[in-house]
Amino acid sequence: DQQVKQNSPSLSVQEGRISILNCDYTNSMFDYFLWYKKYPAEGPTFLISISSIKDKNEDGRFTVFLNKSAKHLSLHIVPSQPGDSAVYFCAASGSTDKLIFGTGTRLQVFP
Amino acid sequence: KAGVTQTPRYLIKTRGQQVTLSCSPISGHRSVSWYQQTPGQGLQFLFEYFSETQRNKGNFPGRFSGRQFSNSRSEMNVSTLELGDSALYLCASSLDSPRETQYFGPGTRLLVL
Repeated sequence: DQQVKQNSPSLSVQEGRISILNCDYTNSMFDYFLWYKKYPAEGPTFLISISSIKDKNEDGRFTVFLNKSAKHLSLHIVPSQPGDSAVYFCAASGSTDKLIFGTGTRLQVFP
Repeated sequence: KAGVTQTPRYLIKTRGQQVTLSCSPISGHRSVSWYQQTPGQGLQFLFEYFSETQRNKGNFPGRFSGRQFSNSRSEMNVSTLELGDSALYLCASSLDSPRETQYFGPGTRLLVL
């Protein structure tokens, strides 16, 4: 039972354009969401998070949007850069604090 | 500040054997979580330890176990290895909770033959 889903396994975007990565969840008790980025041969690194009391959080080129009614969140990267090429995982947490991760989306930014 | 370290980095075992993986968290971090990463399954939560106690557990069979020591270092053990246990095992530490920024180690890649 995959409670956090990333339905697009891969995404290809041109440098300078917007990258939009999507994530859906099924558990309405989740109240905290995070995005992590992973390069090959490295562990994931934290990117950005959002609490369920907000619908948007921004950090530089990265913005996360949360639509609670649709149980959907998205990560926007503007402008996309070649160094953004990585696998992006969304994760959700509820009252138990443990993180449930999605399956990841591989983003490739080409020149 | 040193990052999260995991040993060994690579491991080859045969079915039926057991394996122990080690994780040293960032100094001062008390929460240590373990994840299994396999192609198509993303990161699956194994368990989380805090102050030497298992605080959360994922949906893995009892062959997967772990522990945390007083210095916050953690080990996970997998007994009676199966081919499907081949994966990248990631350890992550945070100050007090996985909801805070978790810092991941590079992982231990386990291959079961």
